[in-house]
Amino acid sequence: EAQVTQNPRYLITVTGKKLTVTCSQNMNHEYMSWYRQDPGLGLRQIYYSMNVEVTDKGDVPEGYKVSRKEKRNFPLILESPSPNQTSLYFCASSLWPGENTGELFFGEGSRLTVL
Amino acid sequence: KNQVEQSPQSLIILEGKNCTLQCNYTVSPFSNLRWYKQDTGRGPVSLTIMTFSENTKSNGRYTATLDADTKQSSLHITASQLSDSASYICVVSGDTDKLIFGTGTRLQVFP
Repeated sequence: EAQVTQNPRYLITVTGKKLTVTCSQNMNHEYMSWYRQDPGLGLRQIYYSMNVEVTDKGDVPEGYKVSRKEKRNFPLILESPSPNQTSLYFCASSLWPGENTGELFFGEGSRLTVL
Repeated sequence: KNQVEQSPQSLIILEGKNCTLQCNYTVSPFSNLRWYKQDTGRGPVSLTIMTFSENTKSNGRYTATLDADTKQSSLHITASQLSDSASYICVVSGDTDKLIFGTGTRLQVFP
C-alpha cells in the first residue's frame, strides 16, 4: 500500500530536549516536505527536498533541521525544542509538485507538545 | 505576493444539502490547483487536481471548477453526508517548487 509513515504520532517533551520525527515513503517519490499546522493558520511549509541530498527552506524553517540521505526518508529534527514549536506536523511526498500528476500524499500527522 | 484565499472560513449545513466553497488565488504563473479534504487530526487527502486547461473536474459528489482568467476555483459538494464534515484546503502551484496553501474552509454537516 502506497503510504507516508510518520513516527511518533504523539509526543510530549520538554524545552531543550532534542527530538527527531521520522518520515518514510514507499512510492519512490522525488519530492518530500514537512509542514506544521496551527489553528487558524493552515499548513505552513518548514523544509522541503527535491531529491537526495537536496533540501531547501520553506516558510518557517527556524528551529528545525532536516536531512535527505536516502530517497525514502526525510526526518525532521528539533535540536532544542521550544513551546512555540507545539504543533501538528505533517510529512508529505510527491513525484513532483508541479506536474499534473504530482499528487501530494500526506502522512497521518505527528502531534508534538513542548512543555 | 502569491496568495490563496478561501471562503467562507466555516460553514454549517444540513445533511443532504448542497454547498459551494470558494478559492481565489493570485499565484502567477499558474501550474495547477488542488483541493484537499482533511478530517480532524488526520492528514489531508487529495480530491482533485486541475490544470490551466481544465474547467471542471469531478470526484464522486465533489465537483471542482476553475476559471483561470479570474483566478477563481470552487468546490461543490452535492447531497452532503455527515462524513463530509472536514476542512477543505485549496492549494495552488506555480512554476517554482513551492505550493501555496489556503487556510481552509471548515465544513460541518449536521443531521
